[in-house]
Amino acid sequence: GAGVSQSPSNKVTEKGKDVELRCDPISGHTALYWYRQRLGQGLEFLIYFQGNSAPDKSGLPSDRFSAERTGESVSTLTIQRTQQEDSAVYLCASSSQPGASYEQYFGPGTRLTVT
Amino acid sequence: KQEVTQIPAALSVPEGENLVLNCSFTDSAIYNLQWFRQDPGKGLTSLLLIQSSQREQTSGRLNASLDKSSGRSTLYIAASQPGDSATYLCAVGRGSARQLTFGSGTQLTVLP
Repeated sequence: GAGVSQSPSNKVTEKGKDVELRCDPISGHTALYWYRQRLGQGLEFLIYFQGNSAPDKSGLPSDRFSAERTGESVSTLTIQRTQQEDSAVYLCASSSQPGASYEQYFGPGTRLTVT
Repeated sequence: KQEVTQIPAALSVPEGENLVLNCSFTDSAIYNLQWFRQDPGKGLTSLLLIQSSQREQTSGRLNASLDKSSGRSTLYIAASQPGDSATYLCAVGRGSARQLTFGSGTQLTVLP
């Protein structure tokens, strides 16, 4: 079946503009995660959605970052007033829960460049 | 705060060699541990997942072990091939969200 998909694959934006990144999880996966990978650094957890529960936003680096998810489908990560330090690859993952292994499956990522 | 360390940072071996990649973590209260490979410009491919109650998992030429009490995991790759060249990432899952904390990876090059 189809894996996790993300769009766009690449995004170049000017400092100060807002951007939206999209993630389509694997069908039937109730859990969805966003991670960030900055150049030369490891992946950082950003936010987690599980069904209709309140999201875990503990990894968001600032209030310029927000995310939404409609039910158990598509998620959008929004970065407002982008800064150069926001340049990174943004990865989305999904997982089937509960009672499962919580194995996470990743999408190809969106490479964001802020100029 | 959970910290995950991977050693070595880079490794170059001739084709056919068996090799071991190491991962250590500071907090043993983990739910699971996943090994991934990442190819340049690509996303992450899950290789093996070990639940906290398990000691090892095998898939083809790959074997991953977990010693939770000592905070260590190893990924063993048998009979390495040039196609195994990639960055290998170790990640531990913890917390109610089972979010992953990643190591910085081992960049593996298998020379033909």
